[in-house]
Amino acid sequence: SAVISQKPSRDICQRGTSLTIQCQVDSQVTMMFWYRQQPGQSLTLIATANQGSEATYESGFVIDKFPISRPNLTFSTLTVSNMSPEDSSIYLCSVEYPGGYNEQFFGPGTRLTVL
Amino acid sequence: AQTVTQSQPEMSVQEAETVTLSCTYDTSESDYYLFWYKQPPSRQMILVIRQEAYKQQNATENRFSVNFQKAAKSFSLKISDSQLGDAAMYFCAYRSPYYGGATNKLIFGTGTLLAVQP
Repeated sequence: SAVISQKPSRDICQRGTSLTIQCQVDSQVTMMFWYRQQPGQSLTLIATANQGSEATYESGFVIDKFPISRPNLTFSTLTVSNMSPEDSSIYLCSVEYPGGYNEQFFGPGTRLTVL
Repeated sequence: AQTVTQSQPEMSVQEAETVTLSCTYDTSESDYYLFWYKQPPSRQMILVIRQEAYKQQNATENRFSVNFQKAAKSFSLKISDSQLGDAAMYFCAYRSPYYGGATNKLIFGTGTLLAVQP
């Protein structure tokens, strides 16, 4: 199975600042995704990170708020911009491997608290 | 749009007993994938089991098995011989069959918190 790491594992940030979360995978993957899990809630897809092109955002999420980069097939970043307390969530990246069984494997998540 | 419903916010089971977690979904697609994920307090999402809609046979993985009823759009998870380590939040998820872009997203239910009593 996949070895997926995320940095930072947790952070406490001030309102109005930005935080960049990194997702690193142990081998090349076809698809990378970013999800948000608000406290006590289920997971919601923010966007699909496309290698070499702009991310594809879900309804309700915009690039100015959640810019995403994916410079290669093993790495992606998600930035949470101009944070407010409502952005306090767990942010998870997930990946699909080529030739897999349509499964997604998740990173350990980043717990973000905005004061 | 597809939806996933988990009607049991919390469940409890005695160690070594069997428990079944319910999941229903709504879709107009004939082919799709269904998953159960486990999220322990450490928050790492772990894939438990996978089911392809075109397969009539129910998937099994050791102590975990599913009861897939396509006509009823039901996908329940049975955990046999429950262990303390099974205590976690369990999420049911749906995925469309099409490749590429946002259609690869997982649609999650609201989760069932499973407690295992010693």
